[in-house]
Amino acid sequence: AQSVTQLDSHVSVSEGTPVLLRCNYSSSYSPSLFWYVQHPNKGLQLLLKYTSAATLVKGINGFEAEFKKSETSFHLTKPSAHMSDAAEYFCVLCYNNNDMRFGAGTRLTVKP
Amino acid sequence: DAGVIQSPRHEVTEMGQEVTLRCKPISGHDYLFWYRQTMMRGLELLIYFNNNVPIDDSGMPEDRFSAKMPNASFSTLKIQPSEPRDSAVYFCASSSVGQGVTEAFFGQGTRLTVV
Repeated sequence: AQSVTQLDSHVSVSEGTPVLLRCNYSSSYSPSLFWYVQHPNKGLQLLLKYTSAATLVKGINGFEAEFKKSETSFHLTKPSAHMSDAAEYFCVLCYNNNDMRFGAGTRLTVKP
Repeated sequence: DAGVIQSPRHEVTEMGQEVTLRCKPISGHDYLFWYRQTMMRGLELLIYFNNNVPIDDSGMPEDRFSAKMPNASFSTLKIQPSEPRDSAVYFCASSSVGQGVTEAFFGQGTRLTVV
């Protein structure tokens, strides 16, 4: 079965400190994995994607994620949080080209 | 391209009324998805189309929900009759299978409130 688990429903960090949003997946296929961000009252925006090339993927706004097959993980990180990073983040598994499985989402709060 | 365009952005309707949500995908994309987002269930795939043909509608919650894609540039999601539990944000997304990996582009969503 294909599934995605985001391990934290809510993460709170202080501005300037590192961000870690955790995602584990289960897939019997070679997965494509994505991170999307959703700001309040806006649609989902692609942050980055893993497509079986480099395991360390760099995205927009300073985010990056590392695909670890041995741990079935695709955690999202950022060295230094900014207030504008406060949003909901979704880890997404894509297989069969267009079947997508969304994680439950992680709400990131950034404190001044 | 202006991206995926959804209308209306907000809809408030009374229980029992018909609601129609609209979506214009990105030109050239051959896949179109309808999602529903609620606090309880997160993001759920309702239905998706490939080349205007419905491929998987197993996520459509009830017969009150229907979706059509009469042409490559337009799709509708209809709820008739609407109920308060249908209140949610409905997203449309489109994609194209390029280089074997799909990146979906999402619209801004329609926030539906059924009172």
